[in-house]
Amino acid sequence: LAKTTQPISMDSYEGQEVNITCSHNNIATNDYITWYQQFPSQGPRFIIQGYKTKVTNEVASLFIPADRKSSTLSLPRVSLSDTAVYYCLVGDLIYNQGGKLIFGQGTELSVKP
Amino acid sequence: SQTIHQWPATLVQPVGSPLSLECTVEGTSNPNLYWYRQAAGRGLQLLFYSVGIGQISSEVPQNLSASRPQDRQFILSSKKLLLSDSGFYLCAWSVRDPMTYPPYGYTFGSGTRLTVV
Repeated sequence: LAKTTQPISMDSYEGQEVNITCSHNNIATNDYITWYQQFPSQGPRFIIQGYKTKVTNEVASLFIPADRKSSTLSLPRVSLSDTAVYYCLVGDLIYNQGGKLIFGQGTELSVKP
Repeated sequence: SQTIHQWPATLVQPVGSPLSLECTVEGTSNPNLYWYRQAAGRGLQLLFYSVGIGQISSEVPQNLSASRPQDRQFILSSKKLLLSDSGFYLCAWSVRDPMTYPPYGYTFGSGTRLTVV
């Protein structure tokens, strides 16, 4: 399982775009990159997932360079309600039947008015 | 649609007492099931995962145990709680075959806040 490194915390203001970068130098060929969001006293919530290039959904975008050794979660025009902890996970979700994902410490995003 | 239920939401237990937390999943079959613990601050620690009835893998040695008596039921137990068992316990499920349900990921329950006093 590839180890991930991401900033411990980030600050932003309402309306700004926030980019959170995650490093995963030892990512394996079968590994997917998945991001979760967690609010206090709630379970993590799936945000976005990708394998390579760019993925976009109604919540965020995920940028993955060609070497896949890092990924960037982009949140457009954040609001106060985006204040949460964001986790980057890397795991083999196709060939590993257990689909086991390991959570790191995450990035605590604080959005200010 | 698939739903996951976890109870109780909060629990205060004395040291040395037993523990039983239950998690059930609806709307899917043959799920992978997981128990995580989150201590004060951040970081989710994987405690147990199960790929089928009666199949339990333990990730961290401790005084906790898990059981899966039915396909969609996952139970976390302890015979004697320690102060260090306090934390936020989360159950999660995922599909067995990710090729049939992209995107692939976990769905978490709402969690149980356990305080051992």
